[in-house]
Amino acid sequence: SQELEQSPQSLIVQEGKNLTINCTSSKTLYGLYWYKQKYGEGLIFLMMLQKGGEEKSHEKITAKLDEKKQQSSLHITASQPSHAGIYLCGADSGSNSGYALNFGKGTSLLVTP
Amino acid sequence: GAGVSQSPSNKVTEKGKDVELRCDPISGHTALYWYRQSLGQGLEFLIYFQGNSAPDKSGLPSDRFSAERTGGSVSTLTIQRTQQEDSAVYLCASSRGPGLGNTIYFGEGSWLTVV
Repeated sequence: SQELEQSPQSLIVQEGKNLTINCTSSKTLYGLYWYKQKYGEGLIFLMMLQKGGEEKSHEKITAKLDEKKQQSSLHITASQPSHAGIYLCGADSGSNSGYALNFGKGTSLLVTP
Repeated sequence: GAGVSQSPSNKVTEKGKDVELRCDPISGHTALYWYRQSLGQGLEFLIYFQGNSAPDKSGLPSDRFSAERTGGSVSTLTIQRTQQEDSAVYLCASSRGPGLGNTIYFGEGSWLTVV
């Protein structure tokens, strides 16, 4: 199965600072999804990337998929307390499971005033 | 409904009892997924439905776990003879269909505590 490694495991940043979270796959990524989860809540879809070199942005969050399609990064500019939560990357696991996503273990982000 | 709806949101049960968790997917979504998230663990895939069929049950941890889907809509995950290690958040998700490019939307989860 596809292994996804996320780094760092946890991150504490001061409000206003930029940060990057990485997601590395052991296999080629055919679809890479980023979700955010707040404690006690479900996963909120952020972005999906499919093409090598693709980059998408939403508000202050930018996600990129490298040309080799084995690594993705999530970059937050000028972080705010509302960005706090757990960020999860997920990858398609193949057609047998209806493209159910395999997930990394997540990166916990805390933004301090 | 507007989003994936799960019930109950919280359930405390005694060891050995059976529990049923319900999922209402987004209207029109044919693909439905169940995941489990244990404390400190990542998301673990349990089962996938396309319509009422479950082509992939590979993630179900044991034969105490079963799931069904009726009318191509509501799904129920049943855990028989619950054990303490079953304590986790059970997340349901749905998508318009299987395949790349179909965003998978998650519900808020059902928190199960087995005492």
